[in-house]
Formats: sequence, C-alpha cells, structure tokens
Amino acid sequence: NAGVMQNPRHLVRRRGQEARLRCSPMKGHSHVYWYRQLPEEGLKFMVYLQKENIIDESGMPKERFSAEFPKEGPSILRIQQVVRGDSAAYFCASSGEGVGSPLHFGNGTRLTVT
Amino acid sequence: QKEVEQNSGPLSVPEGAIASLNCTYSDRGSQSFFWYRQYSGKSPELIMFIYSNGDKEDGRFTAQLNKASQYVSLLIRDSQPSDSATYLCAVRKGAQKLVFGQGTRLTINP
Repeated sequence: NAGVMQNPRHLVRRRGQEARLRCSPMKGHSHVYWYRQLPEEGLKFMVYLQKENIIDESGMPKERFSAEFPKEGPSILRIQQVVRGDSAAYFCASSGEGVGSPLHFGNGTRLTVT
Repeated sequence: QKEVEQNSGPLSVPEGAIASLNCTYSDRGSQSFFWYRQYSGKSPELIMFIYSNGDKEDGRFTAQLNKASQYVSLLIRDSQPSDSATYLCAVRKGAQKLVFGQGTRLTINP
C-alpha cells in the first residue's frame, strides 16, 4: 500500500494521559501536514513539516501539542495531558514537491478522551 | 472574514440532475484550488484541482475558477446517490498549507 498510513485508527485515552499519533507519508513524499476535524466541522490545519523541520505550526495549540518528522521513521503528533476537548479525528496528509501539489490524506486517527 | 467560505448546506439534488457547489476565498495570492469529497466517518479524497482561470473537466466533474471574483465551483453532472457526501473546497498559496472551507453537505435523492 503506497498511500498515507496512519496508526492507530482508534485511540482511547483517559484525561491526563498522553496520545501519540503516527503518520507515514506516501512513498516519495517529503511534506507532511496534520489536520484536526471535530464532528460536523471542517478540517483545521495544525502543522506542516518536512524532514527534521517544522515549516508552519500556526495552527498548533501552544501547550501540550507537539509534532516531529524525524530523518528516519514516521511523523508523530503528540498530545500531552489530554483533555476531553482533544477528542476529534486527526488526519495526516502528505504531498510531493512542486507548488500546488495536492495533499493525499490518510484514514485518520479517531481520538476519544474519557 | 473566513479565508475559504462554502455554503454548509445541506444541498439536495434529484438523481440525474447537475449539482453545483460553490466556494469563495479571501486571499488574492492563492494559486491552487482543490475539491475533496468526504463520506461520513471517512477521510477526504481528492476529486479535482485547478490552477488556471476557466473550466477543467474530468468525467462527470467540472471545476471552474474565476480569480478576479475569487470564486471556485464544482459541477457534478448526472448526479448519482453515491455522490452524496460532504464536499470540501481547499485553497493554497504557493507551497504553503491547504486551507479548507467548512464543507457543503450534498444529498442526491433517488
């Protein structure tokens, strides 16, 4: 499967725990984006990364949230000390080089905080 | 003003008719425009993208772009019940992030 791979598909955490969401981009893609979607709402941009660099984190909450895309391995979105309001679908997308390259999305991780 | 605006719907269209979905954007520097389809509980899937003014056709889908009016639309001909989904308009400036509208929910009635 050469598509964007996200895991886990579903993640349940209790308040105060940490959530780690993983994303492997499509083969040949070096740009990774994370979006959050609440029920019945649109996709909200969180962060844009290239290998080892954060390019744009303007949509990322200042506290508890962090993202990385190391030289080796998947991109990780980490949420520390989760709260109920973090419950959402988190989608990762990747794109190739070139201005205007479309984003291709993974299946998402549904995070539920109890 | 939102960066990308869509009518949230729901938009109801009879089977076989043309569905017309509209989107406006605020940043005149936007260069590329995308339409995604999202079924309930699923991830967005790319339908079409357009960069130049005018029309771009792909099967039953036509994207239309008017940069002077900052307007992009998607037409779906011969609508099928399987086209029932939420359609997301997205806009991009250069190699930056994709900014999405809130989506239009489309229902095709048999």
